Amino acid sequence: QQQVKQSPQSLIVQKGGISIINCAYENTAFDYFPWYQQFPGKGPALLIAIRPDVSEKKEGRFTISFNKSAKQFSLHIMDSQPGDSATYFCAASMETYKYIFGTGTRLKVLA
Amino acid sequence: DVKVTQSSRYLVKRTGEKVFLECVQDMDHENMFWYRQDPGLGLRLIYFSYDVKMKEKGDIPEGYSVSREKKERFSLILESASTNQTSMYLCASRHGQNYGYTFGSGTRLTVV
Repeated sequence: QQQVKQSPQSLIVQKGGISIINCAYENTAFDYFPWYQQFPGKGPALLIAIRPDVSEKKEGRFTISFNKSAKQFSLHIMDSQPGDSATYFCAASMETYKYIFGTGTRLKVLA
Repeated sequence: DVKVTQSSRYLVKRTGEKVFLECVQDMDHENMFWYRQDPGLGLRLIYFSYDVKMKEKGDIPEGYSVSREKKERFSLILESASTNQTSMYLCASRHGQNYGYTFGSGTRLTVV
């Protein structure tokens, strides 16, 4: 019940395309859902986050869609660029101090 | 710019050695965390601390211990390094439960 399942494990997208990464959770007590972006040799960095009282949050080309009834949330990267090539992690947390992370998606955007 | 600094980028240690990984943050954050990152397994929590001298076990604490004597510093200790502890270790900090993590750049530890 504490798992966050992330898919796909890897993703290849053409430049200008839409990248979509999905996550699913079981514990309905989760109330904060961030996405992290990690470039090679760097630590993950917070990209965008959502709370379950909204169904969508957009920041530039990055959008989180949240489906509370299905217990799923996804990251959409519009107009994907080669510079978006990185590993993306979803996570979930509740009123504790720690996150539960997904296993990561390695995105490659072809020029 | 806020920072979480991990003392070493790469470390090579021998089996059985005691290993110290250091992490320092300059943001006056209460919460600090140690994760290990392995391909296909994502980020797994080893230990975390929500205040000075406080510590709690994460999901995979076996073979590790931690120390937090000062607010800005959180140390991970491998009591007797083993080859299955070869991994990327990431330190993170957070101001409070409603904020995102700030991660360090990681320490890639190889135990031979």
